[in-house]
Amino acid sequence: DQQVKQNSPSLSVQEGRISILNCDYTNSMFDYFLWYKKYPAEGPTFLISISSIKDKNEDGRFTVFLNKSAKHLSLHIVPSQPGDSAVYFCAAVGNKLVFGAGTILRVKS
Amino acid sequence: GAGVSQSPSNKVTEKGKDVELRCDPISGHTALYWYRQSLGQGLEFLIYFQGNSAPDKSGLPSDRFSAERTGGSVSTLTIQRTQQEDSAVYLCASSLRQFGGETQYFGPGTRLLVL
Repeated sequence: DQQVKQNSPSLSVQEGRISILNCDYTNSMFDYFLWYKKYPAEGPTFLISISSIKDKNEDGRFTVFLNKSAKHLSLHIVPSQPGDSAVYFCAAVGNKLVFGAGTILRVKS
Repeated sequence: GAGVSQSPSNKVTEKGKDVELRCDPISGHTALYWYRQSLGQGLEFLIYFQGNSAPDKSGLPSDRFSAERTGGSVSTLTIQRTQQEDSAVYLCASSLRQFGGETQYFGPGTRLLVL
């Protein structure tokens, strides 16, 4: 049973446009959410996080939105850059960190 | 300072052999985690260590998998009698404290291929 789902395996966006990566979760006990970014042949790196007491957190070009009632969060990247091309993992914290399957983002120049 | 390191970076082995994967966490990090990423799958939690507490082994897929952490630092993940389905990237991460939103820092992973 996947508690964290990223239903889009891949996303292609034009440079300069907005990238929106989505994540759904099923466990209402999750109280903290993170996004990790992974380049090929490297380990994931932390990108941005949000506590369940907030509905938005912004860091430069990256903004994470949390809709607790819908158990949905999204990562917005604007403007998208070719260097943003990577796999993005959504993760949720309960008694351990649970990851989604990841979404491959390709930013075309 | 240095990040999380893992060795070997790649490992090819024959079915039935044992393998050992090593993780050197960031100095001072008390929590250490092992994950597995199989082809097309997300990151699957395997085990974590927090200080001197007993490790949480709830994610280990079978009793062929074991891990230890010596001296609260280096960790070794051992897979006995490897099977082809064990082929995956094994990632180690460390953080200052256990979960709870602490950012985990990942190593580059060990790519294991079981023939």
